[in-house]
Amino acid sequence: GIQVEQSPPDLILQEGANSTLRCNFSDSVNNLQWFHQNPWGQLINLFYIPSGTKQNGRLSATTVATERYSLLYISSSQTTDSGVYFCAVEDAGGYNKLIFGAGTRLAVHP
Amino acid sequence: EAGVTQSPTHLIKTRGQQATLRCSPISGHTSVYWYQQALGLGLQFLLWYDEGEERNRGNFPPRFSGRQFPNYSSELNVNALELEDSALYLCASSSGTSGQETQYFGPGTRLLVL
Repeated sequence: GIQVEQSPPDLILQEGANSTLRCNFSDSVNNLQWFHQNPWGQLINLFYIPSGTKQNGRLSATTVATERYSLLYISSSQTTDSGVYFCAVEDAGGYNKLIFGAGTRLAVHP
Repeated sequence: EAGVTQSPTHLIKTRGQQATLRCSPISGHTSVYWYQQALGLGLQFLLWYDEGEERNRGNFPPRFSGRQFPNYSSELNVNALELEDSALYLCASSSGTSGQETQYFGPGTRLLVL
């Protein structure tokens, strides 16, 4: 099955810093989503981005489907950005099953 | 618009018992998904229901089962609970079946098996 790798596994930032999180996947995908898991466990949708570039406030994402990777950019980080960021993909074979990476744990300190 | 809702928020059971978890999708969504997030195992796909039918199943034993009701809400049942079933169970919903729709997640049910 499709493999999803996220890097780095852990990231510590000072408030105001910028960061880039990476997601590599091993096969063609129908669906790629970025999530932020808050301390209470809820997965918050950030982007649906199987290809192209999107921006939402301080966050932006780019997926290069032909090279099988996606990047999540966080600018001017805030303490509320802390948590775990997951990339999830559904392979082109279908069946609507999201395969999650292991996540990047981000800690933003004041 | 209300998001995906799940109940209960927490559930404590003993080994061998049965657990029932409930999920209501976003209004207008017909597909419901269940995922398990166990410590050390990451987020894993459990089940997908659409229009009342089970459409796909992850690599879990048959004691994990569920159903989808005519109003598109869903139940996940876990029989003969084992200690390793302790996990956060997340439900998601989407508006279609092509796989190219966003899946929106609920707040989860934390199941603890003693």
